Amino acid sequence: EVQLVESGGTLVQPGGSLRLSCAASGFTVSSNYMSWVRQAPGKGLEWVSVIYSGGSTYYADSVKGRFTISRHNSTNTLYLQMNGLTPDDTAVYYCAREADSGWYDYWGQGTLVTVSS
Amino acid sequence: DIQMTQSPSTLSASVGDRITITCRASQSISNWLAWYQQKPGIAPKLLMYKASRLESGVPSRFSGSGSGTDFTLIISSLQPDDFATYYCQQYFRYPRTFGQGSKLEIK
Repeated sequence: EVQLVESGGTLVQPGGSLRLSCAASGFTVSSNYMSWVRQAPGKGLEWVSVIYSGGSTYYADSVKGRFTISRHNSTNTLYLQMNGLTPDDTAVYYCAREADSGWYDYWGQGTLVTVSS
Repeated sequence: DIQMTQSPSTLSASVGDRITITCRASQSISNWLAWYQQKPGIAPKLLMYKASRLESGVPSRFSGSGSGTDFTLIISSLQPDDFATYYCQQYFRYPRTFGQGSKLEIK
């Protein structure tokens, strides 16, 4: 059974850093395209970043230069390192598996990141 | 970036009704479109991909159509479990973009 479990979300001060984790089971992270998608409170869905199976990474303009997506193959875990956090980064962060051509067939339960002083 | 615009933003309907949600892309995306259902506090759930292909396990009362820039999601006979927010998403290119959501409320 495919499962994605995020962790690491918490309250952090503006300018701070945080690393989110997404533990996967039932499939191999490194063989798939994996994304982070976020949702600000009461708002819609916003794609954040993707890591290809080959290792290439891409970011939304809103986080480029501040966020880094990575994976650890031996633990089958996806990460999102977030630096220079601002209140606009406050959101529930979901990891999601990108199927075939680009839709998201599996999502984690989400982890809440709150950026506030 | 490709902008995705959904309408309506909010829709009130009753159990048994047939409803339609539309999604328009700012440029042609062929049929590279997915639909998701989201309930409060829960991750989105994939309903449909390639504009009209039903994800396994999704009831057949859901259907999708369209190509190019205009797409529709139809629920043929609303059930109590269908009251939720629906999002379209293009995967024609990065950045992946979503519509703003259509909230389906009970009348």
